[in-house]
Amino acid sequence: GQNIDQPTEMTATEGAIVQINCTYQTSGFNGLFWYQQHAGEAPTFLSYNVLDGLEEKGRFSSFLSRSKGYSYLLLKELQMKDSASYLCAVKTGSYQLTFGKGTKLSVIP
Amino acid sequence: TAGITQAPTSQILAAGRSMTLRCTQDMRHNAMYWYRQDLGLGLRLIHYSNTAGTTGKGEVPDGYSVSRANTDDFPLTLASAVPSQTSVYFCASSGTSGGADTQYFGPGTRLTVL
Repeated sequence: GQNIDQPTEMTATEGAIVQINCTYQTSGFNGLFWYQQHAGEAPTFLSYNVLDGLEEKGRFSSFLSRSKGYSYLLLKELQMKDSASYLCAVKTGSYQLTFGKGTKLSVIP
Repeated sequence: TAGITQAPTSQILAAGRSMTLRCTQDMRHNAMYWYRQDLGLGLRLIHYSNTAGTTGKGEVPDGYSVSRANTDDFPLTLASAVPSQTSVYFCASSGTSGGADTQYFGPGTRLTVL
C-alpha cells in the first residue's frame, strides 16, 4: 500500500520560517511534489524533487531524502497569504500521484 | 490560455439520478485525471487516462465511469448518485515536461447528493 504522512495543522508567525515535513512509504517512487491549496480553490504546483537535496524557488524550498523516505517544504519570510493547505504527493507510477492528507498552515500576525 | 475548465461549478443532485461532470483542457496534455477531495481524507484518484482512447481505475473508482474520446475532454459520469458521493471533484492534466509530468488542476466541481 501507499502511506504518506504530514502534520494535520501548523501555526506560524508572519515573517518567520516554517518547515512542513512529509514522510512516505510507497511501492514506487518517481518523484515528489508539493502543492499549495487555498480554501475553496484548486491545488497549485509549488515544487518537484526527484533527486536528493534541496530545490530553492524564491521564498519556498523543498528537500528530499529518498533513503529516508522524507521530504520537507520550507517557507521563509512568511506572509498572511501563505495561509493555506500544503499537499505532499508522491509519483508512484508513470503518471499517477498519491497525495498525503495535507497540512493546514495558519499564519498569524 | 484557459488551462483546464470544469462544469458545472456546483450542483445539488437527488440520490439515484445520473450526472456527468465535464472537464476540458487546452494544453494538449496526454494524461488526465479525476480526483475527489473530502475533509480529512485528502485528494483521492478516481480514474485516469494516460492518452486518448485509454482509461484506468484509481483508488476509488466504484460508482464512477469515464471516457476519453479525444485529447481535450475527460468527462466523469455518476450513473446513480449516492450521498457518499458528496464531495469536491477536481480534474487535472499533465504532459511530459522534463520528466516531471506536473499535474495542473481545474477549479473543481462541488457536488452535493441528497
